This record gives sequence, C-alpha cells and structure tokens, in this order.
Amino acid sequence: NAGVMQNPRHLVRRRGQEARLRCSPMKGHSHVYWYRQLPEEGLKFMVYLQKENIIDESGMPKERFSAEFPKEGPSILRIQQVVRGDSAAYFCASSDRVLEQFFGPGTRLTVL
Amino acid sequence: AQRVTQPEKLLSVFKGAPVELKCNYSYSGSPELFWYVQYSRQRLQLLLRHISRESIKGFTADLNKGETSFHLKKPFAQEEDSAMYYCARGLGRGYQKVTFGTGTKLQVIP
Repeated sequence: NAGVMQNPRHLVRRRGQEARLRCSPMKGHSHVYWYRQLPEEGLKFMVYLQKENIIDESGMPKERFSAEFPKEGPSILRIQQVVRGDSAAYFCASSDRVLEQFFGPGTRLTVL
Repeated sequence: AQRVTQPEKLLSVFKGAPVELKCNYSYSGSPELFWYVQYSRQRLQLLLRHISRESIKGFTADLNKGETSFHLKKPFAQEEDSAMYYCARGLGRGYQKVTFGTGTKLQVIP
C-alpha cells in the first residue's frame, strides 16, 4: 500500500490562475480530508468528503475554493483565481472506518 | 461545535527535562482523542490515541474527562522529539470528522 499520494508536490501559479491539487487516498479508504497549513501556523481543516459527497465544508472559504471526490479517480481541491494569500501547504488525509487519518506529503502552493 | 485547544504555540525544554504538551477539548459525549506529530520535512503521522492506552517513543497521554484534557507527557525529552505536535479529537460513535488543535512546536535544546 503506497499510502496517501498527493500531486503535484510543488505548484507555482501566478495571481489569477487556477490551482488543482490532487489526492489519491490509501487503498480501501473512502473518506478524504483536506487541510491547509499557512507558514508558521497549525493545520486548519477545510473539507471532509466521502465518495461523491461533501460531508463537511465548514472550513472552506466561500469563494474560489471547491473540492470533489468522484466515484473514480482522485480527490481534487480546486482554487480559482489564486491570490498571494493562498500560498500554503495543502495536506490531504484519508481514513477508513477506524478514525485514524493517514496523511499525504502535502502540496506546497506558491502564488507569485 | 467541537473545539481542541492547545494553548502553547511553542514549548522549549532542555534535553533530559520532562515534557508536557497541553490539550483541552470541548465536552461532547465520549470523544476519541489523538496526538499527531510532524517531524521536519515529514508528513503528519499518528503518535498515539487514548483508546489504546499505549506509550509510543516514551510519550503517554491520559484522558481526564473531569478536566476535559488530554495532555501529552514524556519524562525525559530527547533532541529527536523536536517537532510539531497536534492534538485531535473525533466525535466518537463512528463519526469520521476529526478536529485538530492549532499545534504546539516542541523545541528540545541540547
């Protein structure tokens, strides 16, 4: 089991462009979580998804951010019209029924 | 709403000194509590959970329902313990969402 995979590991975008971050959960896991870590700050919950459903998006900014976890393929976190303040590390985690979350290595987004 | 509070952003201790990383949670039924650790340039990983009552890398954590706390302790700090530590809780009852605290950076001074 390769663990949670995230790609790309590093992503550079100019202001106004779109960023797409991908997360492949561990095999057999149907729950995916996205977190954001700003420089020198802790982990902040963004969204919790199960296959084809958003369960809790209370941590997602209301505009420009969206997430999906389709029946087939990875979970996608999409940020439209990126701004400098979006620069951060974005972590994905997955779990099965036992609550322990397994984390991916993260994607470091830099907005120029 | 569930809350997890880690009051210290940074905790510095000397090597060999005892460590206590504080964590308090908002009361709600029977929570499941965890400690996660993130070493430099590594991914976040589970350190321990309260239901297993185990000691990992010399760390222990006891759930105190009266004080709604789940402090992480180690009697003698090592340099390799320097990392970011996150306390987290689930709602229990199989509900999957886990809430993380804001984290405490542990710095062990040689």
